[in-house]
Amino acid sequence: EVQLVESGGGLVQPGGSLRLSCAASGFTFSSYNMNWVRQAPGKGLEWVSYISSTSSAIYYADSVKGRFTISRDNAKNSLYLQMNSLRDEDTAVFYCASGSYTTGMDVWGQGTTVTVSS
Amino acid sequence: DIQMTQSPSSLSASVGDRVTITCRASQSISSYLNWYQQKPGKAPKLLIYAASGLQSGVPSRFSGSGSGTDFTLTISSLQPEDFATYYCQQSYSTLITFGQGTRLEIK
Repeated sequence: EVQLVESGGGLVQPGGSLRLSCAASGFTFSSYNMNWVRQAPGKGLEWVSYISSTSSAIYYADSVKGRFTISRDNAKNSLYLQMNSLRDEDTAVFYCASGSYTTGMDVWGQGTTVTVSS
Repeated sequence: DIQMTQSPSSLSASVGDRVTITCRASQSISSYLNWYQQKPGKAPKLLIYAASGLQSGVPSRFSGSGSGTDFTLTISSLQPEDFATYYCQQSYSTLITFGQGTRLEIK
């Protein structure tokens, strides 16, 4: 079964850091481009970051550029999002999703919740 | 950034109705437009890719059309399981953006 499972969410104070992980199974992870997408409570979807299959191309939304770092370990079938200098407005459910710019995001994890609050 | 604007923001319809949701891009995005369905508490699900490609496993009552700046998602005959929120998303730019969503409710 094709599956993505996020972990690492939790409660963190403003200015703090958190590292999210996404474990892939059931498909050849190393062949797929990956994304992080978030959704603030009661709000719409916001794309956060993209990484190509070989990590040669990485992009960030302006709202997180300079604070978040996406990475992957193809040997461990895992995707990561290092989040630093967290703000209240980063509170959201974070999803990892596979997919490219031409095929859409076709596989999604269940999401992990990040709450930034003092 | 490319802005994506969906209309309407919410819609009430009945089972069996034909429904159309519109998405407009702030600049031409060719056919780099995808549609997603999201139900409360669940992850989004890809319905349509590249403006008109039906994702595997998605019922044929869903269809997409358009190119350039104007796109539509049509549900030919609403089923009870179709009541959800729908999002368009452009991938023409390396900075991906989503529309604000269209909430489809039961009349």
